[in-house]
Amino acid sequence: DTGVSQDPRHKITKRGQNVTFRCDPISEHNRLYWYRQTLGQGPEFLTYFQNEAQLEKSRLLSDRFSAERPKGSFSTLEIQRTEQGDSAMYLCASSAGDRGLPEAFFGQGTRLTVV
Amino acid sequence: GDSVTQMEGPVTLSEEAFLTINCTYTATGYPSLFWYVQYPGEGLQLLLKATKADDKGSNKGFEATYRKETTSFHLEKGSVQVSDSAVYFCALMEYGNKLVFGAGTILRVKS
Repeated sequence: DTGVSQDPRHKITKRGQNVTFRCDPISEHNRLYWYRQTLGQGPEFLTYFQNEAQLEKSRLLSDRFSAERPKGSFSTLEIQRTEQGDSAMYLCASSAGDRGLPEAFFGQGTRLTVV
Repeated sequence: GDSVTQMEGPVTLSEEAFLTINCTYTATGYPSLFWYVQYPGEGLQLLLKATKADDKGSNKGFEATYRKETTSFHLEKGSVQVSDSAVYFCALMEYGNKLVFGAGTILRVKS
């Protein structure tokens, strides 16, 4: 299966540490999205890329968060100096096409726990 | 800003019962509307969508109609099965870039 894959699936870290998550989108999908989901809530948009360009960032994405998609393929999301409030499920999605209504395919997510 | 409101769950039904999950939205323009489903241990999957007023999205026996006058997109299914137990998310998209989700509704179907 060549769906969206995320690594790691689970991450436990101590407050103040840096963490990095990876997302591999569906091959040839030019759009890639990051969302954050906390318990009992729906996913909230963080940022999205079209190819290697980061086109939009949510105000939820503080200066401690940075996302990259260096070659327009996989993407990384780094959180520096983690805080307990960063504990959440981080979801990646990808879609194809530059116009219209492309369907977004989601990965299974990376669950981050900050202790 | 844009927002989506779903009925709170959990919703617990017996097999073959009729399902309705309410969803209303607020948007500045004319969004496209979606229902996503998340089965236990799996990622979000698109269930159905509608792109303009009065469109009906349907899939796997589920249906939802885009009602602009009431800003609603209620999900319905005539006869639920145990395998439909999941979390259902209503969402909207404007300008083709990001999804705005509701909080999700847990559905539990008992045999």
